[in-house]
Amino acid sequence: KNEVEQSPQNLTAQEGEFITINCSYSVGISALHWLQQHPGGGIVSLFMLSSGKKKHGRLIATINIQEKHSSLHITASHPRDSAVYICAVVPCNYQLIWGAGTKLIIKP
Amino acid sequence: ETGVTQSPTHLIKTRGQQVTLRCSSQSGHNTVSWYQQALGQGPQFIFQYYREEENGRGNFPPRFSGLQFPNYSSELNVNALELDDSALYLCASSLGGVVFGPGTRLTVT
Repeated sequence: KNEVEQSPQNLTAQEGEFITINCSYSVGISALHWLQQHPGGGIVSLFMLSSGKKKHGRLIATINIQEKHSSLHITASHPRDSAVYICAVVPCNYQLIWGAGTKLIIKP
Repeated sequence: ETGVTQSPTHLIKTRGQQVTLRCSSQSGHNTVSWYQQALGQGPQFIFQYYREEENGRGNFPPRFSGLQFPNYSSELNVNALELDDSALYLCASSLGGVVFGPGTRLTVT
């Protein structure tokens, strides 16, 4: 079993829909990252969470440390949100443990 | 100056050659990590440097080596390149948060 599990692996939605991507992990962590990678591109850090909830524009990330679960939400989704979204956890240093990623496609 | 930069952006090498990839850390970040991302796969941890010392290493052979300089910039060196080394190489600097560079796409022919 992988230490970081993401779901779904693939998600296709219509523009404007509310999107949720989930991440569960099995190790103790000091922080969790949500990252975005566009096709052929580098990785952009969206959020770093150690507790609670963070919001940036149309993106919201939550984490429940007790349940070892985090979610990334996108409100009013747009085709430019199409990308791979990766959950990565930080066990005790910056050797990130990566989820497999969720490929999101938003259709106009 | 903010952000992490990597050079070159793209590189084509022949099997058996050596390559050096460079990374400039975000200002103030004293930790740098390198990752290899093969096409269609998640990033794999290569190694991490903290204040010029290697601070952790993933499952990569010794022909993958690195350096961190006093200004916290870093190099990744790969000797005796193999076809399977073709990948996107990502550098990330950290001090609390993590900032990723845009990556260097290496193609080995």
